Amino acid sequence: KAGVTQTPRYLIKTRGQQVTLSCSPISGHRSVSWYQQTPGQGLQFLFEYFSETQRNKGNFPGRFSGRQFSNSRSEMNVSTLELGDSALYLCASSLAGTSGRGAQDEQFFGPGTRLTVL
Amino acid sequence: TQLLEQSPQFLSIQEGENLTVYCNSSSVFSSLQWYRQEPGEGPVLLVTVVTGGEVKKLKRLTFQFGDARKDSSLHITAAQPGDTGLYLCAGAGNQFYFGTGTSLTVIP
Repeated sequence: KAGVTQTPRYLIKTRGQQVTLSCSPISGHRSVSWYQQTPGQGLQFLFEYFSETQRNKGNFPGRFSGRQFSNSRSEMNVSTLELGDSALYLCASSLAGTSGRGAQDEQFFGPGTRLTVL
Repeated sequence: TQLLEQSPQFLSIQEGENLTVYCNSSSVFSSLQWYRQEPGEGPVLLVTVVTGGEVKKLKRLTFQFGDARKDSSLHITAAQPGDTGLYLCAGAGNQFYFGTGTSLTVIP
């Protein structure tokens, strides 16, 4: 069973540009969550998509957006990049996401996309 | 505001020693996961605990979920260099909440 894949693995952008990151979840998983990880803030929740609908959103500005397609693949977009957006962006898939059903909440992470903003 | 606080934040021990990492919260979670993450990679799921008071063992790792489902601990027996990494706990509520992380270094 293939794991979660993220593309690209590394990305270098300059301030003001925009970027789109892609995530393909494990087959059969309908929930995709995105996280930003930095040394200072740790893992911060961005948003969760379930069946093409955004179900939860973290405390990030509107420059961060996402979407999910009918095949559960998800994309995350960051517009008007700032230096502080440099981070490891992680995608995680699960069967049902935050369903409250215990073991079905298990998340499986991709390797991440390392974004550097110059 | 971090819902889940982990302690200690950093831990450096000799191979063969035992250690315990704590994950504490004032919130109740439907389940709690522990992950290990290596540099440049995504976190890898180690275990999920669901029932209050539950204890799970994974070789030399023992995980416990608090009776009130608010806290958890990870105990490693006879640590090995391969155990080195960042250990993260995560609680499932209306979203997934991650702990502050514990960076473990096991020195050969």
